[in-house]
Amino acid sequence: DAGVIQSPRHEVTEMGQEVTLRCKPISGHDYLFWYRQTMMRGLELLIYFNNNVPIDDSGMPEDRFSAKMPNASFSTLKIQPSEPRDSAVYFCASTPQFSGANVLTFGAGSRLTVL
Amino acid sequence: KQEVTQIPAALSVPEGENLVLNCSFTDSAIYNLQWFRQDPGKGLTSLLLIQSSQREQTSGRLNASLDKSSGRSTLYIAASQPGDSATYLCAVGNYGQNFVFGPGTRLSVLP
Repeated sequence: DAGVIQSPRHEVTEMGQEVTLRCKPISGHDYLFWYRQTMMRGLELLIYFNNNVPIDDSGMPEDRFSAKMPNASFSTLKIQPSEPRDSAVYFCASTPQFSGANVLTFGAGSRLTVL
Repeated sequence: KQEVTQIPAALSVPEGENLVLNCSFTDSAIYNLQWFRQDPGKGLTSLLLIQSSQREQTSGRLNASLDKSSGRSTLYIAASQPGDSATYLCAVGNYGQNFVFGPGTRLSVLP
């Protein structure tokens, strides 16, 4: 398996523009997570899905952020409009189930810079 | 609400030393604990996973232990090498709260 695949790897945009980040989880993984990492706040959970259904979006900072998972192999995280404080690395991760033996696998991340 | 802390925040050691990284969590109702490594500008790589029923796991020069009752885990790195330089994060798998991460320990191994 190619692992968790994220795109784009780097995105530079101007304030007010729409940003869409994409994630392909590992096949067969029922859970998908979106995290944001900054120096100040570390790794924060934004939202997670189970079988394509959003379960907990309490970490989404505000209405400018939205996430979808239209099918088991694809998820998007959208920011509209973007602001400089959204600059961070956004990670997608997946795991088969919430059980003791299942590893959480991360993608390489999408580094977002909002000017 | 689960809270995870890691001590020390940063550590610098000469090559060859054995070292211990610490992870503490407040809620013992966990189903596993994972240690991750993150290189600068890279994603997180899983190093070791300890299930709640286990006490320790080993992989090469790495050994992770878990004491649920005291809310602690340690990552032991034997004979450290410059290539071990990275940030190490622990993550606790919680029933009902999914995964909660610590802030990480930034390790530098000097040649």
